[in-house]
Amino acid sequence: SYELTQPLSVSVALGQTARITCGGNNIGSKNVHWYQQKPGQAPVLVIYRDSNRPSGIPERFSGSNSGNMATLTISRAQAGDEADYYCQVWDSSTASSYVFGTGTKVTVL
Amino acid sequence: EVQLLESGGGLVQPGGSLRLSCAASGFTFSSYAMSWVRQAPGKGLKWVSGISTSGTGTYYADSVKGRFTISRDNSKNTLYLQMNSLRAEDTAVYYCARPMTTVTDDALDIWGQGTMVTVSS
Repeated sequence: SYELTQPLSVSVALGQTARITCGGNNIGSKNVHWYQQKPGQAPVLVIYRDSNRPSGIPERFSGSNSGNMATLTISRAQAGDEADYYCQVWDSSTASSYVFGTGTKVTVL
Repeated sequence: EVQLLESGGGLVQPGGSLRLSCAASGFTFSSYAMSWVRQAPGKGLKWVSGISTSGTGTYYADSVKGRFTISRDNSKNTLYLQMNSLRAEDTAVYYCARPMTTVTDDALDIWGQGTMVTVSS
C-alpha cells in the first residue's frame, strides 16, 4: 500500500517560515492535500491539489509538489498556526482509498 | 450551512457491534461520495471506508474489511457505518467527511465534529 512520511515535529520562531515535508513514491504524480488539526477539533483543509487555498485560508499557507516530496509552507508563522498537519493523497494503485501522512506537530516558539 | 453531524458512538465490549450515523445538510447529499475517517487517541488520521454516490461502490481499509459495512440512504441524507466484531484497536474518534467537489477522490473539505467509539471490557 502507498505510504506518506512526514517529520514528527517542526519548530518555527514567531514570524518565521515553517516547511513541512511529505514524502511518497512519485508523489509528484498525485494530487496532494493538506489538513490542519488543532486539539479537540476536526481537521480543516488548508491546501488542496498541491497548491490551492480554500476560501478563508490565509495566503501565508502555500504548497508545492514534485518528484518524491510535497511541501506545505507556512510563512510569517503565528501562534494560531500551532497544530498538527497531515498530508493526504488518493491511492488508486492497489485499492481506491485515501492515504494520510503520519502527521507533523508544528510548534511556534 | 453545509454540515455533517455524526452520532451513535459509545462504549462497547470487544466483539460487540455499533452503528454510526452521519446526517448531512446544506448540500445535495446524493451528488457526493462520502468517507469515514478515524483517529485513535493521540494518533494520526486514518481513512476507514468510502462509498460512491449511489452506494453501489464501497471501499475499505484492510484493517476493517469484513467487519465494517458502509452504506447510505440518500432519501434521508444519511451516511452509516456498521461496525461488527469490534476490537480494542478500533477505539477512536470517527469522522464522516465530504469531498470538496463531486469528484470522488478530491480533498475532503467538510468534516463532522466526530463521534467517540470506545471498545473495552
